[in-house]
Amino acid sequence: GDSVTQMEGPVTLSEEAFLTINCTYTATGYPSLFWYVQYPGEGLQLLLKATKADDKGSNKGFEATYRKETTSFHLEKGSVQVSDSAVYFCALRGAAGNKLTFGGGTRVLVKP
Amino acid sequence: GAGVSQSPSNKVTEKGKDVELRCDPISGHTALYWYRQSLGQGLEFLIYFQGNSAPDKSGLPSDRFSAERTGGSVSTLTIQRTQQEDSAVYLCASSFQGAGNQPQHFGDGTRLSIL
Repeated sequence: GDSVTQMEGPVTLSEEAFLTINCTYTATGYPSLFWYVQYPGEGLQLLLKATKADDKGSNKGFEATYRKETTSFHLEKGSVQVSDSAVYFCALRGAAGNKLTFGGGTRVLVKP
Repeated sequence: GAGVSQSPSNKVTEKGKDVELRCDPISGHTALYWYRQSLGQGLEFLIYFQGNSAPDKSGLPSDRFSAERTGGSVSTLTIQRTQQEDSAVYLCASSFQGAGNQPQHFGDGTRLSIL
C-alpha cells in the first residue's frame, strides 16, 4: 500500500537558517503530493502541493519539488522565522484513491 | 468563506459510553473525510464520503465506529462503547471533488478523551 516517510524531529534551528525536511513516498501510479502544517494550537493547513512529476509547489517561502525518479518531495525554506515553528506533515493522495496517507510529522522549532 | 466546522471541540467521556462527533464541511464540497490523529499512530484515514456513492469505510478500526452523512452535507462520526485507545483528535476534511489533485481542507478537530 501507499506510504510516506519523513525525517523525525524535532528539528531545532536559529532564525534565518535554512530548513530542509526530507520526505519520500511509496505509491503505485502517479500520486498527488502535499505538505500540511500544524501551528501550535491550530488545525492542519495546506501549505503547498504538486500534482505531477517535476512540479514545484511553493507558498510562504517554502518550496517542494515532486521528484518521481527519487520518489521524494522534500520541503525547503531558505530563511526561517520564529513563526515557522510548527509540525509539518508530508502526505500523498494516490491516483486511484481519495484518502490522504500522511508521514509521521516533523516538529520544527525556530529560536530567535 | 467559512471553513470546515467541527463540534464539540473537546469531549471527555467515560469508558463504555457512546459519543457523536459532528462535521460541517465547506459549502459546495462534495467529498468529506474523517481522520484520527493520535500519539501512537499519527494521522490515520477513517472514512470517506463522495456525493451519493457508497462510503469508503476501509479505515474504520472496528465495528464500534460508524459514520453517516445526511443530505450530502453534515456528517456524524459515532463511536460506541468507547475504549481508552479511542482517545485522539478526530479531524474532518472536505474537498471540492474526490479527485486526487483537489486539496483537502481540515477542521480544527475534536479532542476526545476517554477516562
